[in-house]
Amino acid sequence: EVQLVESGGGVVQPGGSLRLSCAASGFNFEDSAMHWVRQVPGERLEFVSLIYGDGSVTYYADSVRGRFAISRDNSKNSLYLQMNSLKTEDSALYYCTKDRAGSYEAWGQGTLVTVSS
Amino acid sequence: DVVLTQSPLSLPVTLGQPASISCRSSQSLVHTDGNTYLNWFQQRPGQSPRRLIYKVSNRDSGVPDRFSGSGSGTDFTLKISRVEAEDVGLYYCMQGAPWPYTFGQGTKLEIK
Repeated sequence: EVQLVESGGGVVQPGGSLRLSCAASGFNFEDSAMHWVRQVPGERLEFVSLIYGDGSVTYYADSVRGRFAISRDNSKNSLYLQMNSLKTEDSALYYCTKDRAGSYEAWGQGTLVTVSS
Repeated sequence: DVVLTQSPLSLPVTLGQPASISCRSSQSLVHTDGNTYLNWFQQRPGQSPRRLIYKVSNRDSGVPDRFSGSGSGTDFTLKISRVEAEDVGLYYCMQGAPWPYTFGQGTKLEIK
């Protein structure tokens, strides 16, 4: 069974940093592209970032490019999102997702990020 | 980026009655490989999204057969043949090609 467990969320001041983690199990992690998707409660889901299975390719939404960095450690079956220069509009529930053929095959439970002074 | 527009945004339905959600794309979603990567997700209150349908009409394992997806090009539909209480929640369409992936704004299904 595919399992994705996010951690690392919390409350941070504008301009601060956070590092999110996602522990994956139940599938061949290194063969899977992984994404971060976020959701302001009650609002639209939004793609944040993606990384290929071997880490060779990354992609970012315009809203986070230059501030966020996605990475992975295939030896630990783990995905990360380093978030710097956080803004109030980055406040959301952040989901780790497994990509397969143009779709999100599995989702974690999410970790909440609140950016507030 | 591709814009997906869902309608209605709010869908009150009587138990046992059918329901239908539309998803329109700002451009054709037919990929050069011949596939159309249009997906549907359900998000029950307090839960993560769960995929129901992939590539327009393929139901995921464990999804009741009262859920069905259809459409082509720019117009897609999710249908529930007979709404049950457990179907309450938000429904999102999402496209996985062209890049970047984008979502519709969501449709809230509630019981009348």
